[in-house]
Amino acid sequence: LAKTTQPISMDSYEGQEVNITCSHNNIATNDYITWYQQFPSQGPRFIIQGYKTKVTNEVASLFIPADRKSSTLSLPRVSLSDTAVYYCLVGPNYGGYQKVTFGIGTKLQVIP
Amino acid sequence: DVKVTQSSRYLVKRTGEKVFLECVQDMDHENMFWYRQDPGLGLRLIYFSYDVKMKEKGDIPEGYSVSREKKERFSLILESASTNQTSMYLCAIQGQGLQPQHFGDGTRLSIL
Repeated sequence: LAKTTQPISMDSYEGQEVNITCSHNNIATNDYITWYQQFPSQGPRFIIQGYKTKVTNEVASLFIPADRKSSTLSLPRVSLSDTAVYYCLVGPNYGGYQKVTFGIGTKLQVIP
Repeated sequence: DVKVTQSSRYLVKRTGEKVFLECVQDMDHENMFWYRQDPGLGLRLIYFSYDVKMKEKGDIPEGYSVSREKKERFSLILESASTNQTSMYLCAIQGQGLQPQHFGDGTRLSIL
């Protein structure tokens, strides 16, 4: 099972672009990469999912290099409300469920 | 909008009690998950279920059991509550793939 490594914390000023990188060196062929956002006292919220190259939605972009051993979540022009913990999860999307493990996430603090 | 409803936001029980945490989904998804979240440890998988009456142990199943008699409902049971089970408990259902995508808001359980 692919293990993930993320920075424990990051600070950013409002209006800046934030990039959070997740390492997953032993990612398997059928593994997808999923990112979540969690605010205090709430459950995690799905942000974006990808398999390779680049995925973009209304909230974020996900960059995955060709070797897929890492991925980068990009949040454009962050605001104070983006202060949260961000989790990267790697696991298969087909072929039967396999246990995957959340890491401790990256705590993003947006500063005014 | 997807709804994952956990029966209680806050719960206080006593050591030795049998505790039931309920989770209900409105999406007819097969996969449902129970996690606990503790400071510094991230989300840890307790049990998951891939269909009615089907269950698999997660990473920390000791002291817990689960029940899935109907597809929409997944219950977590603490057979004899202990103080080290004081935690935030999160229920989740799968998204488009196999991985957890939609989470409930959590139950903060205190065992005294």
